[in-house]
Amino acid sequence: GQQLNQSPQSMFIQEGEDVSMNCTSSSIFNTWLWYKQDPGEGPVLLIALYKAGELTSNGRLTAQFGITRKDSFLNISASIPSDVGIYFCAGPPHNNAGNMLTFGGGTRLMVKP
Amino acid sequence: EAQVTQNPRYLITVTGKKLTVTCSQNMNHEYMSWYRQDPGLGLRQIYYSMNVEVTDKGDVPEGYKVSRKEKRNFPLILESPSPNQTSLYFCASSAGGARQYFGPGTRLTVL
Repeated sequence: GQQLNQSPQSMFIQEGEDVSMNCTSSSIFNTWLWYKQDPGEGPVLLIALYKAGELTSNGRLTAQFGITRKDSFLNISASIPSDVGIYFCAGPPHNNAGNMLTFGGGTRLMVKP
Repeated sequence: EAQVTQNPRYLITVTGKKLTVTCSQNMNHEYMSWYRQDPGLGLRQIYYSMNVEVTDKGDVPEGYKVSRKEKRNFPLILESPSPNQTSLYFCASSAGGARQYFGPGTRLTVL
């Protein structure tokens, strides 16, 4: 099936630093989603992107839908300890009969106070 | 409160002993799915259901069964668990569209 490649796999940063992560695919996606998974919890949707070139913010988070439709980026500004978790990109494959989502491998973020 | 619940949250079992993980949602969603999460692989879909009595395979269905007799419930059944099914399992529901709501997860260990 379609695959989403996320990078970096993990990041260890100082509180207050900005964070950037990205997700790429070999095929086109019409929707890009960014989820965050807190330790011991299920993923929670952060941002949804529906149009190529779209730039959407949610507080300190900003995500962009790449114009090629094959990539997406998530930025976190001024990181804080509660940003710790795993961030996943996801998107529905083309023939999405069953409301499926394809997920990237995740970026594990660790923030040092 | 709108939510997806899973039980049990943690389970340790032995190879070959049948088990069921329950999933329930109170949002009247038509779509429900099961995923497994393994390190570095993200979440992979096992089975999904578009409505009552309508289920289909996801990316990694081998060794699993599901049923959807009621809209709110979508149990995951492992008839003969094996160690390679040790994983973290998530149930999710959706009203359609890309947004899915996830349960808290079930950590399964098969010895």
